[in-house]
Amino acid sequence: EVQLLESGGGLVQPGGSLRLSCAASGFSFSNYAMSWVRQAPGKGLEWVSHISGGGDTYYADSVKGRFTMSRDNSKNTLYLQMSSLRAEDTAVYYCAKRGYSGGWYDDYWGQGTLVTVSS
Amino acid sequence: DIQMTQSPSSLSASVGDRVTITCRASQSISSNLNWYQQKPGKAPKLLIYAASTLQSGVPSRFSGSGSGADFTLTISRLQPEDFATYYCQQGYSTPHTFGQGTKLEIK
Repeated sequence: EVQLLESGGGLVQPGGSLRLSCAASGFSFSNYAMSWVRQAPGKGLEWVSHISGGGDTYYADSVKGRFTMSRDNSKNTLYLQMSSLRAEDTAVYYCAKRGYSGGWYDDYWGQGTLVTVSS
Repeated sequence: DIQMTQSPSSLSASVGDRVTITCRASQSISSNLNWYQQKPGKAPKLLIYAASTLQSGVPSRFSGSGSGADFTLTISRLQPEDFATYYCQQGYSTPHTFGQGTKLEIK
């Protein structure tokens, strides 16, 4: 059974940093791309970033230069290092396992971790 | 970036109804369109990928169609558990943008 468990969320001041983790199990982690998707309170879904099995990364313009996505395949863990945080980064952050069928999709999702950026 | 526009933004329907949600991309995305269902306080759930491929375990009353820039999600006979918010997403090029969502409510 695929399981994804996010952690690391919490309250952080504007300009601060936070690192999210996503522990994966139930599949061959290193063989799959992964993504982060966020959802601000009461709002829709926003794609944040993608990482290939080999570590190539892509980011939304809204986080480029401030967020860094990485993975440790030996630990089956995904990371999102967030810095220079802003109030508009407040959201539930989901990690997701990706599939590919000519285009990308997110077939399994974690339960999410809440990041609140506020003074 | 590719913009995704869903219509309607909200929809009221009754159990047993057939409903259709539309998603339009700002440019052609071939068949690289996904549909997700989200219930309050829960993570999204993949329903359909590649425009028309039903994800394993998803009931057959859900179906998807379309290619190019225009897509539809159809629920053939609404069940009580189908009342939720639905999102489309393009997986064609980064950023993999989502539509704004369609909230399906009980009439």
